[in-house]
Amino acid sequence: SSELTQDPAVSVALGQTVKITCQGDSLRSYYASWYQQKPGQAPVLVMAGKNIRPSGIPDRFSGSSSGSTASLTISGAQAEDEADYYCNCRHSSGDGVVFGGGTKVTVL
Amino acid sequence: QMQLQQRGAGLWRPSETLSLTCTVYGEAFSGYYWSWIRQPPGKGLEWIGEVTHTGNTNYNASLKSRVNISVEKSKSQFSLSLTSVTAADSAVYYCARRFYTSSSFDLWGQGTLVTVSS
Repeated sequence: SSELTQDPAVSVALGQTVKITCQGDSLRSYYASWYQQKPGQAPVLVMAGKNIRPSGIPDRFSGSSSGSTASLTISGAQAEDEADYYCNCRHSSGDGVVFGGGTKVTVL
Repeated sequence: QMQLQQRGAGLWRPSETLSLTCTVYGEAFSGYYWSWIRQPPGKGLEWIGEVTHTGNTNYNASLKSRVNISVEKSKSQFSLSLTSVTAADSAVYYCARRFYTSSSFDLWGQGTLVTVSS
């Protein structure tokens, strides 16, 4: 299967750490990428491949992967991190990509 | 400055063929996959398909029968055509770029809200 599964929602206290997970068979072969999307805005890439942060993304964002599960960790969550987060990876066939359903992160 | 600029109508009638175009400014056109991604209101992202500068394409299997993505290199543009649209095709449509060997979309268009209604 090329589907990616994410928890619909998680919450984190301000300044604490939250881990968002993404599960799927394709992740055994390909790295996940992660996107942050705030209301009314286009998604923004926050993690590319194996723990690669694009320029301008705070270092409190980190990525990891094990087996069929990829994770995005926000260490010391800030109010501005409240958003929807999506994972994606290459399709198991190697052609195209697939997205997870998204996780809404609430910062309390 | 590198950017993707989308254009196209926001309102389509059922059964029509939706058409959107994305222009690439300030960056090389080769070496990337140029994709279309959509997001129905209140829902998640759905990858539609992609094209290279040479015209090679990949499509989401669930949409493949209705989708065509083409490229016009001389204008640094790529376009989406979606036939026989219904209300279920109403969404914000984004164009985006990813490297050949990566799943990462590092550059996105501004998004176009498409509504299918009679």
